[in-house]
Amino acid sequence: DAKTTQPPSMDCAEGRAANLPCNHSTISGNEYVYWYRQIHSQGPQYIIHGLKNNETNEMASLIITEDRKSSTLILPHATLRDTAVYYCILMSSGTYKYIFGTGTRLKVLA
Amino acid sequence: EAGVAQSPRYKIIEKRQSVAFWCNPISGHATLYWYQQILGQGPKLLIQFQNNGVVDDSQLPKDRFSAERLKGVDSTLKIQPAKLEDSAVYLCASSPDRGWETQYFGPGTRLLVL
Repeated sequence: DAKTTQPPSMDCAEGRAANLPCNHSTISGNEYVYWYRQIHSQGPQYIIHGLKNNETNEMASLIITEDRKSSTLILPHATLRDTAVYYCILMSSGTYKYIFGTGTRLKVLA
Repeated sequence: EAGVAQSPRYKIIEKRQSVAFWCNPISGHATLYWYQQILGQGPKLLIQFQNNGVVDDSQLPKDRFSAERLKGVDSTLKIQPAKLEDSAVYLCASSPDRGWETQYFGPGTRLLVL
C-alpha cells in the first residue's frame, strides 16, 4: 500500500502558484520523497526529489517539513500544460522501489 | 537522446488469449521496470531487472505473467492466458542503474481484454 496521502483533485488558475500537499507521516529515515506527474496518455515524468532539505529545479520546488511527515510541491507559475496527475512517492534507499498512490489530479484553469 | 520505446501502443484481445509487449529502454540503462496501471490508479511495479537478472518480481502474477530481458537490453512482458482484470496500461521504465534518482517512462501499451 502507498505510504503517502494526497488530495484527489485540485484546481489552479493559470499563472498562479500551484501548491500540492502530500502527507507521509510514517516516513522512514532512509526514504526519499519523489514527485512525478503523468499527463494524459503519457508515462509518468520525473519532477523533483528530496530527503530532508528543500529542493528547487527548473520545474518546481519541493518543501519538506522539518519532521519530514509532509511535503509540498510548488509549481511557481502554473500553465495549462501543467494539467496532469501528480504523484508523491516514497522511495527507500534500500529497495529502490516506487509505490505509487492515486495522486492528485491538478487542473490548471485559463 | 531517444526515450523508452514500447510497442504496440494499443492491443485488444479476448480473454484466455495470449499477448506480448515489447520495451526498448534508453541506451546504456542497466535497470528496467515493468509497471501495470489500472484505470484510476497509480502504476504498480510488476518486475524489475538489473541488466538481464531479475531483482524484484514479488508483484508479478507468475501463473500467467512472464517477463524476460535477454542480453540486458530489450525486454518482453507476456500474459498467457489473459483475464478481464488484466485490462490496463503496461508501462516500461528504465534508469542508468538501480537506485538512480530518476526513472524514465515509456508511453505505455494500453491493453483491453474482452
